[in-house]
Amino acid sequence: DAKTTQPTSMDCAEGRAANLPCNHSTISGNEYVYWYRQIHSQGPQYIIHGLKNNETNEMASLIITEDRKSSTLILPHATLRDTAVYYCIVRLRMNRDDKIIFGKGTRLHILP
Amino acid sequence: GAVVSQHPSRVICKSGTSVKIECRSLDFQATTMFWYRQFPKQSLMLMATSNEGSKATYEQGVEKDKFLINHASLTLSTLTVTSAHPEDSSFYICSARGGRGWEQFFGPGTRLTVL
Repeated sequence: DAKTTQPTSMDCAEGRAANLPCNHSTISGNEYVYWYRQIHSQGPQYIIHGLKNNETNEMASLIITEDRKSSTLILPHATLRDTAVYYCIVRLRMNRDDKIIFGKGTRLHILP
Repeated sequence: GAVVSQHPSRVICKSGTSVKIECRSLDFQATTMFWYRQFPKQSLMLMATSNEGSKATYEQGVEKDKFLINHASLTLSTLTVTSAHPEDSSFYICSARGGRGWEQFFGPGTRLTVL
């Protein structure tokens, strides 16, 4: 599995954009970048995914560099409810044995 | 759509007893279900993968005789922690994947406390 590297923790002021970086320098051409988050004592929640183009949905935007070795998850207007651990994951998503392996993630604190 | 539930949400048991945790896909058929364990301040660790109607595949280091997984139907998988000990106290999370898609949907988790 390709590995990802994320900062251990980050702070962001409420109302500002939260930019969470992720390095995945060994990603292969057919691997997707996925982001999940886990609010305390809850199951993980899917946020967004992409292959090589930037993506946006109602929750966030995903910016993937042209060489695909890194990406940034952007929460445009962070609220206190966005305080969570954010996981960047690389997945093949091509066969029946595909499984999600979580790294340590980034603990995001939204400050009032 | 794509809701996964777990029952119970919390369970406290005495050391030496067995505990069963249920994972249900409420509005889709889950051909594959996954079980994770999470200790405080740590990430989720994949324990096993189960495909409906077949034996579960356990990750390295996970005792299959201690963590019994049954995936007898397309909407239900169960994890039984046998002869639980305090070190088994953890947050157990399941996820489910339908037959046609790659997406996994996670349950809300079950917090097990073994006294």
